[in-house]
Amino acid sequence: EDKVVQSPLSLVVHEGDTVTLNCSYEVTNFRSLLWYKQEKKAPTFLFMLTSSGIEKKSGRLSSILDKKELSSILNITATQTGDSAIYLCAVGTDKLIFGTGTRLQVFP
Amino acid sequence: DTEVTQTPKHLVMGMTNKKSLKCEQHMGHRAMYWYKQKAKKPPELMFVYSYEKLSINESVPSRFSPECPNSSLLNLHLHALQPEDSALYLCASSQEMGTSRPRDTQYFGPGTRLTVL
Repeated sequence: EDKVVQSPLSLVVHEGDTVTLNCSYEVTNFRSLLWYKQEKKAPTFLFMLTSSGIEKKSGRLSSILDKKELSSILNITATQTGDSAIYLCAVGTDKLIFGTGTRLQVFP
Repeated sequence: DTEVTQTPKHLVMGMTNKKSLKCEQHMGHRAMYWYKQKAKKPPELMFVYSYEKLSINESVPSRFSPECPNSSLLNLHLHALQPEDSALYLCASSQEMGTSRPRDTQYFGPGTRLTVL
């Protein structure tokens, strides 16, 4: 059975801290790995990763895929209160399989 | 523009009611999706339409009936729901079905919060 696991489940930090969120997967027919940020409602797209070892960056967020280790990390530097959200990892096969998410809370 | 819209935002219905959820996108996407999300859980795929044809049905009970009238619209018809069907229903779209290329990235609508009494 295809499985996507995220860790930690929950993280509480202060503004300015750097955080690393983890995603590991066991799936057949891997095609891509996506990161989403979910605040109150819809998940918003952050990154799509298909190639191992190539970092994708958007402002203070960056992500990289390791196909050998079947995992990905999402880094957020200099966190702000607006980064508080659930971060979802999803692996694409013929559909998207979501992990349970990491709840990040950033306090001033 | 990466906007997917959904109506209504909130819906409260009784177990004998019939209602519909609507989703619309004008990005020219040819794949559209319905997901169900319970509190503190990730989204669960319900249906996928590709080029207006149903291509994935994740063994969803028949009280949920999807419809894709055209390439921009996706409906979810609800009938005789149960209280356990209360959840956030998310619509998403992507340029094509499959997840191997950047244009297959799924963009989500804001969701409809459904409560079944």
